[in-house]
Amino acid sequence: IQLTQSPSSLSASVGDRVTITCQANEDIRNYLNWYQQKPGKTPKLLIYDASNLETGVPSRFSGSGSGTDFTFTISSLQPEDIATYYCQQYDYLPPYTFGQGTKLEIK
Amino acid sequence: QVQMVESGGGVVQPGTSLRLSCAASGFSFSSYGMHWVRQAPGKGLEWVAVIWFDGNKAYYADSVKGRFTISRDNSNNTLYLQMNSLRAEDTAVFYCAREGRSTGIFDFRGQGTLVTVSS
Repeated sequence: IQLTQSPSSLSASVGDRVTITCQANEDIRNYLNWYQQKPGKTPKLLIYDASNLETGVPSRFSGSGSGTDFTFTISSLQPEDIATYYCQQYDYLPPYTFGQGTKLEIK
Repeated sequence: QVQMVESGGGVVQPGTSLRLSCAASGFSFSSYGMHWVRQAPGKGLEWVAVIWFDGNKAYYADSVKGRFTISRDNSNNTLYLQMNSLRAEDTAVFYCAREGRSTGIFDFRGQGTLVTVSS
């Protein structure tokens, strides 16, 4: 299963609403996760199963979608959200795959 | 607290072998499936392999199938990745990750270990 994530990079201002999309080439139901990786750091799970917020993650992060089309949203961009964001699918059995990543910068 | 410490990385020549380790602590290691995920310099994340909690099943990415072997020692809370026939394109930081709410959800806790394959 291949994931196409867009855009590959994004520049936005503090307070902006930011949206990233992830499209699968076949139906993965809701088995889609979103991770944040800050520069030089280990990836961190933000959203699991398309729309569930991981414990401790700020509520400005959200996810939606099912089947082949998914969306990740930051409702009000904060300076600490500078990172690369990855979608990842795990429909039924491995192999698991990641999207290409979206590098988010502050304008 | 949950900790995972990867080790065993280094600089090796193409065609040689290397074994990575991941020492886990702070959780019931034998109850969790475990993954290896890698990241080439300046590139995205790539899932490498998973092993079931009891070691009875393992799956691999096509890019490493037949060359890499994932294994675990539940008595010593350690995960391994035996890498043979290494290629330049295997150069990456290798992370171990615990399964989250489902096997396909990754919980990263370590800092990774860098493998450089170069002549």
